[in-house]
Amino acid sequence: DTGVSQDPRHKITKRGQNVTFRCDPISEHNRLYWYRQTLGQGPEFLTYFQNEAQLEKSRLLSDRFSAERPKGSFSTLEIQRTEQGDSAMYLCAMGYEQYFGPGTRLTVT
Amino acid sequence: GQQLNQSPQSMFIQEGEDVSMNCTSSSIFNTWLWYKQDPGEGPVLLIALYKAGELTSNGRLTAQFGITRKDSFLNISASIPSDVGIYFCAGQGSGGSNYKLTFGKGTLLTVNP
Repeated sequence: DTGVSQDPRHKITKRGQNVTFRCDPISEHNRLYWYRQTLGQGPEFLTYFQNEAQLEKSRLLSDRFSAERPKGSFSTLEIQRTEQGDSAMYLCAMGYEQYFGPGTRLTVT
Repeated sequence: GQQLNQSPQSMFIQEGEDVSMNCTSSSIFNTWLWYKQDPGEGPVLLIALYKAGELTSNGRLTAQFGITRKDSFLNISASIPSDVGIYFCAGQGSGGSNYKLTFGKGTLLTVNP
């Protein structure tokens, strides 16, 4: 158990719909990261929070993507107007050494 | 973007054999990490390396941080069936970012009992 939970584990949505994923730490970590992983690839960095401040964003994070960490504990990742290319595993990681949660598998039909 | 070259892409071995995989980069990293991922799950951290030349063990796993800071290897000794999975290397602290991990494409390990 890495101490990171993600919800939901699986999400199937129709193209054009909005989706939101949540990442919860079991214990307090000031560092939180979001990654995206497609089939046959390693995870790709999306964004990084230190406490509630979003300090780094990847070019992969288009304007349809937004992430928040309002109180410096849990975080949400929202994708608006989903596209089929958004289908992937969305992973949250926490801590200096980056312990990953189980991920949310998104399928856009 | 940055790429880590991880090899081999896949390995098929017999139970009890030793395994070696490596990762190289054109960029210097400050930290190297190795993860294992099972289907449908997130990557699990195996070993973290913080200093060039460092050699670290975790049970049957041994990993080294290359002297040039551009490479790392992972060895698994006396493989067992539960070693099956995808192994990823990741580098941290390069290209202007102290935070993000850059991952290789993974090595798929199959262990025949």
